[in-house]
Amino acid sequence: DTAVSQTPKYLVTQMGNDKSIKCEQNLGHDTMYWYKQDSKKFLKIMFSYNNKELIINETVPNRFSPKSPDKAHLNLHINSLELGDSAVYFCASSTSPGQGASSYNSPLHFGNGTRLTVT
Amino acid sequence: GNSVTQMEGPVTLSEEAFLTINCTYTATGYPSLFWYVQYPGEGLQLLLKATKADDKGSNKGFEATYRKETTSFHLEKGSVQVSDSAVYFCALMGNTGGFKTIFGAGTRLFVKA
Repeated sequence: DTAVSQTPKYLVTQMGNDKSIKCEQNLGHDTMYWYKQDSKKFLKIMFSYNNKELIINETVPNRFSPKSPDKAHLNLHINSLELGDSAVYFCASSTSPGQGASSYNSPLHFGNGTRLTVT
Repeated sequence: GNSVTQMEGPVTLSEEAFLTINCTYTATGYPSLFWYVQYPGEGLQLLLKATKADDKGSNKGFEATYRKETTSFHLEKGSVQVSDSAVYFCALMGNTGGFKTIFGAGTRLFVKA
C-alpha cells in the first residue's frame, strides 16, 4: 500500500487556469506538508498542517491555497496558473514535530510528486 | 535563519569507488540532521539521520556523523554501485521556526559500471 499518494502524477494546463492536486497519507501521521521542487531540484517548503491547522505558511502567492479536510488529507489548489508555477510539487507527512523528547527528529515521508507544466 | 550547504554536483564515480558528499549547516540550538535520496521519478526517501552531536547515522552502506564542532554531516560510502545513482539531499530540522525541515540544494550522483 502506498504510504503517501498524490494525484495526478502529471498535470499539463494553460496559463490562467485553476487546478488542484490531492494528497492522502495512510501512515497515521498528523502533520502534512507541501514542497515545491524547481528544475534544478531545489526543494522549498510551502505549507504545513498539523491536525488540520496551518502551522507553516511560507512566502507563497495567494493564488496557492491549501486545504486539509482531515489529518490524512492535504490538498493544494492553485488559481490563475502562471508559467513560473511549473515545477514538481511534493506532498509529505510526518509525526508531530515539537512534541516530546524526540520532538524534532521526525523524518518526512514523501509522495512521488506531481509534475505541473503550465503552457 | 537555518540553512544547509552541500557540494555541487554532479558527482561521477566508477563502481566500487569511495563516495563523499559534503554537507555543512547553520542553525541555532540543536537541530536533527538527515540525508534523503531521490531516485528518478520518485519522491525523497529517508536514507539516514542523526539527532545529536557525535551520533552516526547509517543505512545501506552509507554513513554520516553529526559533527557539531565543524557543523558538518558529510555522507560517505565505501563502495558505490550503479544502483546508488540518484540525487542526495542533506537536511536539518531545527527546534525553532515551526520545526521546518530545510534542505540543501541536492547533489546528483552518477555511478558508471
